[in-house]
Amino acid sequence: EVQLVQSGAEVKRSGDALRISCKASGYTFSNYWIGWVRQMPGKGLEWMGIIYPGDSDTKYSPSFQGQVTISADKSINTAFLQWSSLKASDSAMYYCARHIFALGSYYGDVWGKGTTVNVSS
Amino acid sequence: YELTQPPSVSVSPGQTARITCSSDDLPKQLVHWYQQKPGQAPVLVIYKDTERPSGIPERFSGSDSGTTVTLIISGVQAEDEADYYCLSADISGSYGLFGGGTKLTVL
Repeated sequence: EVQLVQSGAEVKRSGDALRISCKASGYTFSNYWIGWVRQMPGKGLEWMGIIYPGDSDTKYSPSFQGQVTISADKSINTAFLQWSSLKASDSAMYYCARHIFALGSYYGDVWGKGTTVNVSS
Repeated sequence: YELTQPPSVSVSPGQTARITCSSDDLPKQLVHWYQQKPGQAPVLVIYKDTERPSGIPERFSGSDSGTTVTLIISGVQAEDEADYYCLSADISGSYGLFGGGTKLTVL
C-alpha cells in the first residue's frame, strides 16, 4: 500500500527555522515526483512545488520560489519542506503528495494527512 | 494565469451537480479534480480531464470543452457535500495551479 506519513504539528515563533518531513512507503521513491501543497486556515489549496528524488529536479510555483526549499533524501524515502525564517503568514496546513506527470501537468494521486504549522509573532 | 471556479454550487439529492473550471490556457493543459471534506486531506476524484481513479464512484465524471472543464456528479448523495478543486499547470508545465475551490452543498 502506498503511504505518505507526515511529521507532527509544529508551533514556532517568527524568525525560527523549520523543516517538516514526509516519509514514503509502498513504492519506488526515486521514480515519482513528490511535492507540497499549502492550505491556510479557511482557505483553498495552493500548489507549492515538487521534487523528483531520482535526480533532485525541483519545480516551484512562482508564489513560493525563494520562500521555501523542497528537498528529498532517497536513502530514507523522505521529502522535506524547509523554511529559513518563518513568518506568521506561514501558519497553515501543509500536505505532501506523490505526483504523477501527465502531458505537461502534474497531479497528486496519494496524499499525506497534513502537518499543521503555527507561527506566532 | 488563473483557474476560475464558481464559489458555490447547490443541488438536491439525486440531481446532477456540475462544477466548472475555466482558463484561456486549458485547451493546452490537462485538468485534475479533488474532493476535500472538512478536516481531511484532498482526494483525487478525476485525473487527466476525464479519468476516474479506482475506488471513486462512477457518478463522478469529467468533461472537457475548450477553455472550460467540468466535474460532473450524477445522482448526488449527501456524502458528496465537500469542497472541490481543479488543478492544472501553467502553459510551459513548470508549475501547478489550483482553482479557488467550489463548495458543493447538498440541499
